[in-house]
Amino acid sequence: KNEVEQSPQNLTAQEGEFITINCSYSVGISALHWLQQHPGGGIVSLFMLSSGKKKHGRLIATINIQEKHSSLHITASHPRDSAVYICAVPNYGGSQGNLIFGKGTKLSVKP
Amino acid sequence: DTEVTQTPKHLVMGMTNKKSLKCEQHMGHRAMYWYKQKAKKPPELMFVYSYEKLSINESVPSRFSPECPNSSLLNLHLHALQPEDSALYLCASKTSGGSGNEQFFGPGTRLTVL
Repeated sequence: KNEVEQSPQNLTAQEGEFITINCSYSVGISALHWLQQHPGGGIVSLFMLSSGKKKHGRLIATINIQEKHSSLHITASHPRDSAVYICAVPNYGGSQGNLIFGKGTKLSVKP
Repeated sequence: DTEVTQTPKHLVMGMTNKKSLKCEQHMGHRAMYWYKQKAKKPPELMFVYSYEKLSINESVPSRFSPECPNSSLLNLHLHALQPEDSALYLCASKTSGGSGNEQFFGPGTRLTVL
């Protein structure tokens, strides 16, 4: 079973700051997911990436397959970015495509 | 249509009640998932349906009974639940099993058992 570690667990930033959230996993994968969950809300898929870098607006995700590490960056952070960010990888114990989740990083952006 | 819908959004039930959660997608996805998420914890897998057949049951108590009546619909029938079953229940779907496809999540049903 893949182990997923995220850091930091909690992060407070001032509006406009550059944010980095890190994720490492123990077993090689074909794709990694970054997810966002607002308080009391459902989960939104931000990125699925298997190599290199992806960018969507102010969000950038990178992955290093050899090092089993991924980062999520937020440029020019805004209070509406306040949420829990979750890294998830496929469960290679089976072939059903279910995800194993990190414990999440709770981000709070202050105005 | 690129969304997964879940109803109801909120549900309060007593321990003797029978209720059902519903999940629907019209993206042609053939793998559907139920996850349970307790407060401040990551989601945990409950069930996987692949091509309308139950393929994974993560040792979930029998008071939770999943059903997949067709390729677009996934139900979770609840009976004789306990207060510790209170949680956010998330449905997800993807094109098929395997690791290479994006998983789409519904907004969840927040369940409170009294």
